[in-house]
Amino acid sequence: KAGVTQTPRYLIKTRGQQVTLSCSPISGHRSVSWYQQTPGQGLQFLFEYFSETQRNKGNFPGRFSGRQFSNSRSEMNVSTLELGDSALYLCASSTGLAGGNTGELFFGEGSRLTVL
Amino acid sequence: QKEVEQDPGPLSVPEGAIVSLNCTYSNSAFQYFMWYRQYSRKGPELLMYTYSSGNKEDGRFTAQVDKSSKYISLFIRDSQPSDSATYLCAMSGGSNYKLTFGKGTLLTVNP
Repeated sequence: KAGVTQTPRYLIKTRGQQVTLSCSPISGHRSVSWYQQTPGQGLQFLFEYFSETQRNKGNFPGRFSGRQFSNSRSEMNVSTLELGDSALYLCASSTGLAGGNTGELFFGEGSRLTVL
Repeated sequence: QKEVEQDPGPLSVPEGAIVSLNCTYSNSAFQYFMWYRQYSRKGPELLMYTYSSGNKEDGRFTAQVDKSSKYISLFIRDSQPSDSATYLCAMSGGSNYKLTFGKGTLLTVNP
């Protein structure tokens, strides 16, 4: 069974640009969550999508947005990039909201974004 | 006060040692408690899951939850170099369906 696939794995952008990251969940998983991971703040929740609807959102500015398609694949977009957006962006899929009954999220290997 | 506090370490132990990793939390609504392990350049993977208070054992790993103290622990017995990773606690509960993670503790087990 294929795992969670994130693309691209690495990317470099400059301030003011925008970026789109893609996530393909495990087959059959309807929930996709996005997290930002930095050494200083750790793993911070961005948003969660279930059946194409955003079900929960973290405390990030409106520059961070996402969407989910009918095949459960998800994209997140960051507009007007800032230096502080440099981070590892992790996508996780699960069968239910917040990992369902067991809290189990299946993470991809992440997209490492560097903003110069 | 952050919802979940976790000592980032780093923690370095010799092979065979017993390792204790801990998290404290402030949200009394949390009732699902998890430990994730993250190897370098990989995404986190679920290691242990516990519902409410109590202990749970899985091989060399034991998870403990003390809801009265808002304190959770992960013990690793007979630690191995392959246990070297970052360990993240996570918890959820209440009406807000999301997992809240600790910052993670970097563990190195030296052969």
